[in-house]
Amino acid sequence: EVQLVESGGTLVKPGGSLRLSCAASGLIFSNAWMNWVRQAPGKGLEWVARIKSKTDGGTTDYGTPVKGRITISRDDSKNTVYLQMNSLKTEDTAVYYCARSSYGDYGESAFDIWGQGTVVTVSS
Amino acid sequence: SYELTQPPSVSVSPGQTARITCSGDGLPKEFAYWYQQKPGQAPILIIYKDTKRPSGIPERFSGSSSGTIVTLTISGVRPEDEADYYCQSSDTTNTYRGIFGGGTKLTVL
Repeated sequence: EVQLVESGGTLVKPGGSLRLSCAASGLIFSNAWMNWVRQAPGKGLEWVARIKSKTDGGTTDYGTPVKGRITISRDDSKNTVYLQMNSLKTEDTAVYYCARSSYGDYGESAFDIWGQGTVVTVSS
Repeated sequence: SYELTQPPSVSVSPGQTARITCSGDGLPKEFAYWYQQKPGQAPILIIYKDTKRPSGIPERFSGSSSGTIVTLTISGVRPEDEADYYCQSSDTTNTYRGIFGGGTKLTVL
């Protein structure tokens, strides 16, 4: 069974830092392009970041609201993708999902597998 | 860059047809995708590349595209279809940027 499991969400003060993890199983992780998508309380989905596979260059891309404060990375030996978040703001409060980019007939722009999310609360 | 616009809410009675639109200037160039999200759950991909349905998704879900508007149609709506629906596309004008519409709450009366 394909599974993504996020962890690392917690309560953090404004200006603080946090690293989220997403562990994958049941898929060839090294080939996967991985994303983080967040959802603020009562709000819609917002794409945060993407990292390609190393064989496709390992390129990273970021959404405008988080650019410069967030870094996505991966450790293929651990089947894990990370999201390092710095200079956190109250508006970063959200459920953070990791999601795999689709491939093949689905194209590369959909998110076909999702984790259950981890909650980040930024508050003093 | 561009945005995707959805109606905040759509209401239908069971057995009727629900149509949820998503508009965006980039949609003629990029495919659209649709997700269903129920409370407390992660989103599920229900339509990809404008019109295609992943395996396991009921046939009552369909997608269409015309110019700058894509539409999710749910035929013979069931009570369990009550959920939030999001369209999604991408902007590759400069670097990659994933884009979601604001979401539409489908209420089954």
